[in-house]
Amino acid sequence: QVQLVQSGAEVKKPGSSVKVSCKASGGTFSSYTISWVRQAPGQGLEWMGRIIPILGIANYAQKFQGRVTITADKSTSTAYMELSSLRSEDTAVYYCARRPLAVAGYDYWGQGTLVTVSS
Amino acid sequence: AIQLTQSPSSLSASVGDRVTITCRASQGISSALAWYQQKPGKAPKLLIYDASSLESGVPSRFSGSGSGTDFTLTISSLQPEDFATYYCQQFNSYPHAFGPGTKVDIK
Repeated sequence: QVQLVQSGAEVKKPGSSVKVSCKASGGTFSSYTISWVRQAPGQGLEWMGRIIPILGIANYAQKFQGRVTITADKSTSTAYMELSSLRSEDTAVYYCARRPLAVAGYDYWGQGTLVTVSS
Repeated sequence: AIQLTQSPSSLSASVGDRVTITCRASQGISSALAWYQQKPGKAPKLLIYDASSLESGVPSRFSGSGSGTDFTLTISSLQPEDFATYYCQQFNSYPHAFGPGTKVDIK
């Protein structure tokens, strides 16, 4: 059974960084891409970026360029999303999601990680 | 970047109604589109991938169609568990943006 299990909720100060993990189980980690999507309270879904774990290549939304880093550890089937220079507008639920290669759709999602940025 | 618009932004419908949601891309995206359902406090759930392929385990009352710039999600007979927000997402080029969502609630 495929699962993406994310790390727990975080409370951060403005200007600091947060690193969220996403551990995959029940599938072949290298056969998929992992993307990160966030959702601010009461708002829609926002694509942040993705990584191809087998290659370690990441693409980012221009909005987050320079502030976000997505990495993957094949040995532990875990992907990470680090967001720096946090501001209050970054308060959101952050999701990881799995996309099979050559398929337009995320078939499995993590449970979400609430990141709260507050002084 | 490709922009997605959805219409309507919200709708009220009754159990048994046929519901159609439209997603329009700012430029052609072939069939690189997915539809998701999201309920409050939950992660999105994949309904349709590659514009018209039904995800395994999703009821057959859901269907998707379209290619290029215009896409449609249809629920043939709305059920109580279908009241939720629906999003489209394009995979043609980065960023893989989502539409703004369509909220379906009870009339």
